[in-house]
Amino acid sequence: EPEVTQTPSHQVTQMGQEVILRCVPISNHLYFYWYRQILGQKVEFLVSFYNNEISEKSEIFDDQFSVERPDGSNFTLKIRSTKLEDSAMYFCASFGGRTYEQYFGPGTRLTVT
Amino acid sequence: QQPVQSPQAVILREGEDAVINCSSSKALYSVHWYRQKHGEAPVFLMILLKGGEQKGHEKISASFNEKKQQSSLYLTASQLSYSGTYFCGTDSGGSNYKLTFGKGTLLTVNP
Repeated sequence: EPEVTQTPSHQVTQMGQEVILRCVPISNHLYFYWYRQILGQKVEFLVSFYNNEISEKSEIFDDQFSVERPDGSNFTLKIRSTKLEDSAMYFCASFGGRTYEQYFGPGTRLTVT
Repeated sequence: QQPVQSPQAVILREGEDAVINCSSSKALYSVHWYRQKHGEAPVFLMILLKGGEQKGHEKISASFNEKKQQSSLYLTASQLSYSGTYFCGTDSGGSNYKLTFGKGTLLTVNP
């Protein structure tokens, strides 16, 4: 069964450093998302991406964040200068546009020290 | 605005039933239910689209009351594997299909 994959599974970085989180969505899907979940809290929407551009972003997704789909398979989230409060689980999700089911990847746990 | 889930937590014995509710103040196009176990990704359970359709999946089913903007998840004859946090994610019909999640309901099934 096709699945969303994410790398790395865990990333530890120092405050102020740049990080890139990578995702490979399901191959025939058209809509891509990043969500985050701070430990013990709900899943929060960050950004949606369709047709090679951002279609919507939340207020969390400020100028420090960016997304790219560089090669038609990978979907990346970059945080330019990490802060302590960026520590969270980051989930990538995708869906095909026909069945409306969004499938989540296993997540990347980001720890900012 | 995030949907409101109730109850926040429920403890069951194996074989008992539970209902988890999700309500929104906004008109909804669809409601998505996920189960998340500790340290893992949310796992898709089912989706309910505008129209009040009820869906079932073995011993887990759900309903969507479009007029009340409410959905309920029904877990019957619970199993130990049902333990986890259940989230509803709502889509208000924008072209982006983004989901807004509730705070979750922690379900614990004991032997």
